[in-house]
Amino acid sequence: GENVEQHPSTLSVQEGDSAVIKCTYSDSASNYFPWYKQELGKGPQLIIDIRSNVGEKKDQRIAVTLNKTAKHFSLHITETQPEDSAVYFCAASIGYQKVTFGTGTKLQVIP
Amino acid sequence: DTAVSQTPKYLVTQMGNDKSIKCEQNLGHDTMYWYKQDSKKFLKIMFSYNNKELIINETVPNRFSPKSPDKAHLNLHINSLELGDSAVYFCASSPGADVKYFGPGTRLTVT
Repeated sequence: GENVEQHPSTLSVQEGDSAVIKCTYSDSASNYFPWYKQELGKGPQLIIDIRSNVGEKKDQRIAVTLNKTAKHFSLHITETQPEDSAVYFCAASIGYQKVTFGTGTKLQVIP
Repeated sequence: DTAVSQTPKYLVTQMGNDKSIKCEQNLGHDTMYWYKQDSKKFLKIMFSYNNKELIINETVPNRFSPKSPDKAHLNLHINSLELGDSAVYFCASSPGADVKYFGPGTRLTVT
C-alpha cells in the first residue's frame, strides 16, 4: 500500500519568514495530493491540493510543488503569521480510493 | 450552517462498555468516512461509505461497526471498549471526488 513520509515533525519559524514542509510517497499511481491544516481541538481543514498533471499550484501565501519523478511534494508558506501555527498534514491518494496521510508537522510561528 | 457535525464532542467511558458516535453532513455529499487520530496525531482511515454502501473497511477490529441510515449520516458503534480505543475520531464527507471535509472530532477516553 501507499506510504507517505513527512518532514520535519516540528518546525519553528520567526513571523514573516518562510516555512517548507516536505513529503515523499511510495505509490507512483497516486494522483492527488492534498494538504490539511489542523488547529488545536479542530478537525483537519483542506488548505491546498495538487493533482499529478500539475507541477505547482499557488494560493496567496501558500504554494505546493510536485515532483512526480522523485515522488516528492512540498508545502511552502511565505510571510508566515502567528495564525499559521498548527499541525499540517500532507496526504496522497489514487482517485476516490483511501487517502494516506503523512505523520504531520507541528508549525510554530514565533511573533 | 455546520457542514459536518459529530456528537458527542467528548466521550469518557469505562472498559467493556458499548458506545456510539454520530455524524451528520448537510453538504449533500455521497461519500462519508471515519478516521481515527491517535495520541501521536497519526490519522488513519477506518471506514468509507458511498451512498450508504461500505466501500472501504480497513483492518479494524470487528468491535467497530459503522452504520449509514441514509446518505447524510454515518454513525460509529463500538462494542466492548478497550483502553487502546482512546483516540480522537473524525467523521468526514466528500462529494465523490478527492476533497474531504472533516468534522470537529470526538475525543474518546476509555478508563
